[in-house]
Amino acid sequence: AQRVTQPEKLLSVFKGAPVELKCNYSYSGSPELFWYVQYSRQRLQLLLRHISRESIKGFTADLNKGETSFHLKKPFAQEEDSAMYYCALSGRQGAQKLVFGQGTRLTINP
Amino acid sequence: EAGVVQSPRYKIIEKKQPVAFWCNPISGHNTLYWYLQNLGQGPELLIRYENEEAVDDSQLPKDRFSAERLKGVDSTLKIQPAELGDSAVYLCASSQNWRDNEQFFGPGTRLTVL
Repeated sequence: AQRVTQPEKLLSVFKGAPVELKCNYSYSGSPELFWYVQYSRQRLQLLLRHISRESIKGFTADLNKGETSFHLKKPFAQEEDSAMYYCALSGRQGAQKLVFGQGTRLTINP
Repeated sequence: EAGVVQSPRYKIIEKKQPVAFWCNPISGHNTLYWYLQNLGQGPELLIRYENEEAVDDSQLPKDRFSAERLKGVDSTLKIQPAELGDSAVYLCASSQNWRDNEQFFGPGTRLTVL
């Protein structure tokens, strides 16, 4: 079964503090993992994907196959990071459906 | 570039009424997806099109939901008749082709069934 679990529905940290949004998955095979973000009144957009190995807006995520995790991290949170974050997976064979977690609402306090 | 366009943005109907949602994907994107997002949940796939062919509709409740993408560009998702539990956000997304997993989402249509 394909499943993505984001254990925290809400996460609140202070500006400048480190942030970690947790994501665990189950998938038979080698999935592709993504983080999508939705800022207030904006559409869902891709933040990063594990195959790119990029740092976007200071965020990074490492795929840990042993722990089946893909946690999103940022060393110093900024107020503009406040948003809804969704972890998602898909198969690697071309265009396939995304399976999303239920999302984590991140609030950065000034 | 406008991105994925959806209309209407909001729709309020009474139960048992029909409703339709329209999606125009990014130009040149062959793959189109319809997702359902219930309150407090992540999106869930309803149907995926490759050009005009529905290649994954296993999650589409076919007793009341239907979709079409006749010319392989725009798509319409219909519910007839709507039920109270259909109240949700309906998202359309597109990706360039079968090789590319990056999906671009529209703003969604928020449906309220009274």
